[in-house]
Amino acid sequence: AQTVTQSQPEMSVQEAETVTLSCTYDTSESDYYLFWYKQPPSRQMILVIRQEAYKQQNATENRFSVNFQKAAKSFSLKISDSQLGDAAMYFCAYRSMWNNAGNMLTFGGGTRLMVKP
Amino acid sequence: SAVISQKPSRDICQRGTSLTIQCQVDSQVTMMFWYRQQPGQSLTLIATANQGSEATYESGFVIDKFPISRPNLTFSTLTVSNMSPEDSSIYLCSVQRGAGQPQHFGDGTRLSIL
Repeated sequence: AQTVTQSQPEMSVQEAETVTLSCTYDTSESDYYLFWYKQPPSRQMILVIRQEAYKQQNATENRFSVNFQKAAKSFSLKISDSQLGDAAMYFCAYRSMWNNAGNMLTFGGGTRLMVKP
Repeated sequence: SAVISQKPSRDICQRGTSLTIQCQVDSQVTMMFWYRQQPGQSLTLIATANQGSEATYESGFVIDKFPISRPNLTFSTLTVSNMSPEDSSIYLCSVQRGAGQPQHFGDGTRLSIL
């Protein structure tokens, strides 16, 4: 079974600065997806960014980018030019690429990001 | 991404009662899922809602406690039966359009049992 670990329960960043959230995972599969979701106090889960394991290029979405290290099984999220609206819980998630393994998401424990004005 | 409506957004229920949560999507999707998020915790998959057949439950979740329906490709319900305070959680519906697509979530239902 796959596991996802987020070793930072809480992080804080100054507005306009850059912060990196860590995520490691354990799997025996070679093909899979990785995701970062954001959950603000409103509790809605919002997809931030996704990465396919077969792609070497790191995914980027505006101020959000990832550092995907497949051999190290590491998938960190970098938030540049942090804004007050970035304050939320961030969850890293893993999903197998193969249907017979299910499409379930396996989530890490989450990192609470605080943004200081 | 799909527009996902989840109802109710929150409820306070008495011990021993049951509550049905609805998840409506604005377009047909291949897969629908139900997750539970206990207070201060991460998300755990309860089951995959299968259209026209019985849901597929994850370890630790059973149909008698969490019956699920999915009559078509845009709608699903989750019932939390015979509730106890331990069932106080946020319940979230998610949808996936097809293979290789990301999952998107509804706003969740915050359930409190007295």
